[in-house]
Amino acid sequence: KQEVTQIPAALSVPEGENLVLNCSFTDSAIYNLQWFRQDPGKGLTSLLLIQSSQREQTSGRLNASLDKSSGRSTLYIAASQPGDSATYLCAVQDNYGQNFVFGPGTRLSVLP
Amino acid sequence: GAVVSQHPSRVICKSGTSVKIECRSLDFQATTMFWYRQFPKQSLMLMATSNEGSKATYEQGVEKDKFLINHASLTLSTLTVTSAHPEDSSFYICSARDGDRGLSEAFFGQGTRLTVV
Repeated sequence: KQEVTQIPAALSVPEGENLVLNCSFTDSAIYNLQWFRQDPGKGLTSLLLIQSSQREQTSGRLNASLDKSSGRSTLYIAASQPGDSATYLCAVQDNYGQNFVFGPGTRLSVLP
Repeated sequence: GAVVSQHPSRVICKSGTSVKIECRSLDFQATTMFWYRQFPKQSLMLMATSNEGSKATYEQGVEKDKFLINHASLTLSTLTVTSAHPEDSSFYICSARDGDRGLSEAFFGQGTRLTVV
């Protein structure tokens, strides 16, 4: 059974810092991995999608990497801003293209 | 990108009543829709998978008689929480898969915050 963990559970940084969020999964037979952002009480915003054949994806200040063999992904946020404060979830989609298994999330606070 | 609309965004109901949540794919046909539940400070957990025109597949521990899922068309799936209790208070999110795009990124609704009083 696929299990997804995220480290750290919470992170508080001053504005402007670069930071890294970590995601690990136990079963490397994944179809893709997706990073989401969730604001309090709100739904999910998709940030980056990495197919299993890819190593990384970039969007603006965000860069996500994937090492499928070791079961790891990282989300790099450059020059963090207070507006980046949210919970960041990673989720892996199995090879059958069905459901996603979500990690518990990292709660990020960027202080002005 | 594809849009999934979920309604209502927030609902408060009395214990014992039933609540229906709708999930619509606005610009694509969703052959498969997924329903997730998120308790406070916990991650999203899959409740059930629904395929258009067939019965939903429920995850272990999810009561199918309590959480009724109907996927009658390629653009609409509904989740009905029957005889709701305070412990059913949670955040419910649906996602839809665009069959034409193959196994690609998931499209999520904005979620429904259910509070049972």
